[in-house]
Amino acid sequence: NAGVTQTPKFRVLKTGQSMTLLCAQDMNHEYMYWYRQDPGMGLRLIHYSVGEGTTAKGEVPDGYNVSRLKKQNFLLGLESAAPSQTSVYFCASSYSDKDVYQETQYFGPGTRLLVL
Amino acid sequence: DQQVKQNSPSLSVQEGRISILNCDYTNSMFDYFLWYKKYPAEGPTFLISISSIKDKNEDGRFTVFLNKSAKHLSLHIVPSQPGDSAVYFCAARLVYNQGGKLIFGQGTELSVKP
Repeated sequence: NAGVTQTPKFRVLKTGQSMTLLCAQDMNHEYMYWYRQDPGMGLRLIHYSVGEGTTAKGEVPDGYNVSRLKKQNFLLGLESAAPSQTSVYFCASSYSDKDVYQETQYFGPGTRLLVL
Repeated sequence: DQQVKQNSPSLSVQEGRISILNCDYTNSMFDYFLWYKKYPAEGPTFLISISSIKDKNEDGRFTVFLNKSAKHLSLHIVPSQPGDSAVYFCAARLVYNQGGKLIFGQGTELSVKP
């Protein structure tokens, strides 16, 4: 199993450009998440999804959109990139069973984005 | 408002000694806490967790302690090894949580020196 994979690994954008980050998981997880990591800020949740076709806002959703058309994929879009979106982006997934207390999230390797 | 705080950005420990990483939280509705470990250029990986109904959970060299009255948890690594050098994040889940969302602290960078 590959676990959680992310593409691309690194990208440089100019202000105003758009791009889509792709996350894929092969663990049949219901839940998927997009985080950004910035120095001194930890991991902050951007958007998340509790199942195919559903998405919800997290802590810092502004400037981002997401889609979950297939259970195994979760896409993060930047319509008009800004320098403030320079960050490392992590995707994660988890299997939540109400009978099982643990809800461990499994993370991808990250996408480093630089917006000039 | 930071609901989960790791006030020490960095910690340096000698190999073989104990490493203690601390985490404070403000919301009494958190019911589950986790620690993640992150190496450079990699994603975080799950390390250990604890339910709010417990005060201690142990897994090999790693022990997590929870003090609910003080809203404080700590991760103990004994003995510390150079391979433990990484950034450690604590995370918490709200009891009425929907979707398994976690709130993360800022992280503490641990350096274990040989």
